[in-house]
Amino acid sequence: QLQLQESGPGLVKPSETLSLTCTVSGVSISSSFYYWGWVRQPPGKGLEWIGTIYDSGSTYYNWSLKSRVTISVDTSKNQFSLKLSSVTAADTAVYYCARLQPAATPTMPFDYWGQGTLVTVSS
Amino acid sequence: DIVMTQSPDSLAVSQGERATINCKSSQSVLYSSNNKNSLAWYQQKPGQPPKLLINWASTRESGVPDRFSGSGSGTDFTLTISSLQAEDVAVYYCQQYYSTPQTFGQGTKVEIK
Repeated sequence: QLQLQESGPGLVKPSETLSLTCTVSGVSISSSFYYWGWVRQPPGKGLEWIGTIYDSGSTYYNWSLKSRVTISVDTSKNQFSLKLSSVTAADTAVYYCARLQPAATPTMPFDYWGQGTLVTVSS
Repeated sequence: DIVMTQSPDSLAVSQGERATINCKSSQSVLYSSNNKNSLAWYQQKPGQPPKLLINWASTRESGVPDRFSGSGSGTDFTLTISSLQAEDVAVYYCQQYYSTPQTFGQGTKVEIK
């Protein structure tokens, strides 16, 4: 059974870098046609797509965050990671990692999700 | 970016009655190569991640009760819950995956009247 689990600090100071890792179990992160992504949700608000990665390293970012976002994959650990630099209070959110439905395209819906982790930006 | 607008923002329906949620995209999400609409619906209960209910505008995911149905094409879409159950109380989101950035509607909160 495919499972995803986010991990990382729950509190980050303004101007610093938010770093989260998603550990995938039940399937190889390198499986063909598997894209992986990050979505965030500010408290009480809607969903925002952050970016998507393929195991080859191909990445796709939301242009609104692109200059601050880096998503990477570590196939040896079956993990992928998110880094968001220069954070502000507006980056406070629940961060979800998720898998896109298998396809030969990075534009598919998310069919498996982690439980999410709340990251608060505050001094 | 494609803007997704849902209506209403919230609705209360009696148990066993029909609930209808609308979603409008700022441009067509009809994918010409397969003639399918790149539109998904999710259900999110408090404290849980979203759950994918429907993709390609009308294809139910495995295990999703058949009281959930999706319809529409181009820019106008609808999620219908034919007979609302207590366990359907949640926020529902539409999402377009036609182009990046993938974008979501603002959500519709469904409650029992």
